[in-house]
Amino acid sequence: GAGVSQSPRYKVAKRGQDVALRCDPISGHVSLFWYQQALGQGPEFLTYFQNEAQLDKSGLPSDRFFAERPEGSVSTLKIQRTQQEDSAVYLCASTPVRGWIGDTQYFGPGTRLTVL
Amino acid sequence: DQQVKQNSPSLSVQEGRISILNCDYTNSMFDYFLWYKKYPAEGPTFLISISSIKDKNEDGRFTVFLNKSAKHLSLHIVPSQPGDSAVYFCAASAKNNNDMRFGAGTRLTVKP
Repeated sequence: GAGVSQSPRYKVAKRGQDVALRCDPISGHVSLFWYQQALGQGPEFLTYFQNEAQLDKSGLPSDRFFAERPEGSVSTLKIQRTQQEDSAVYLCASTPVRGWIGDTQYFGPGTRLTVL
Repeated sequence: DQQVKQNSPSLSVQEGRISILNCDYTNSMFDYFLWYKKYPAEGPTFLISISSIKDKNEDGRFTVFLNKSAKHLSLHIVPSQPGDSAVYFCAASAKNNNDMRFGAGTRLTVKP
């Protein structure tokens, strides 16, 4: 079956623009995670959803970052008034269970965001 | 505050030899550790994991060793194959915690 998909794969934004990044998890997966991966670094946790409920948003770096998953499937990560330090690869992952169990966490290919 | 560290950004080994990738952590609350493999333009894929109640877990050519007293784990790949060339991330988490911490990764190159 299809894996986790993300769109767009690449996004270039001018500083100050708003962007929206989409994640389509594997069908039926309960949990969804967003990560930010800066160049040369490992992924860093941003936020976690269980179905439509955002249970943990402790990793969101500022109030310019907002995530939603209104129907418990597709999720959107929105970044308002983008800054150069927001340039990174944004990874989405889903799991079939509540909470994460690392070995069943399936990652998408990521969206590479470049803010000029 | 980097709680998971991979101090070697790159490693090159000859095909057929052993690859050893290392990872150190600082948070004594971590009780579950994972290795992910990442090819260019793809997301990380799970490789192998180990719980803190064990000190070794083996899956085919891949073995992960955990030394809790040293807060150190390592991934051994024997024998290494050119298809193993990728970036390997070490990750750790505490029970009932959604926050999985990743190291910065080690780029493994296996030469034919």
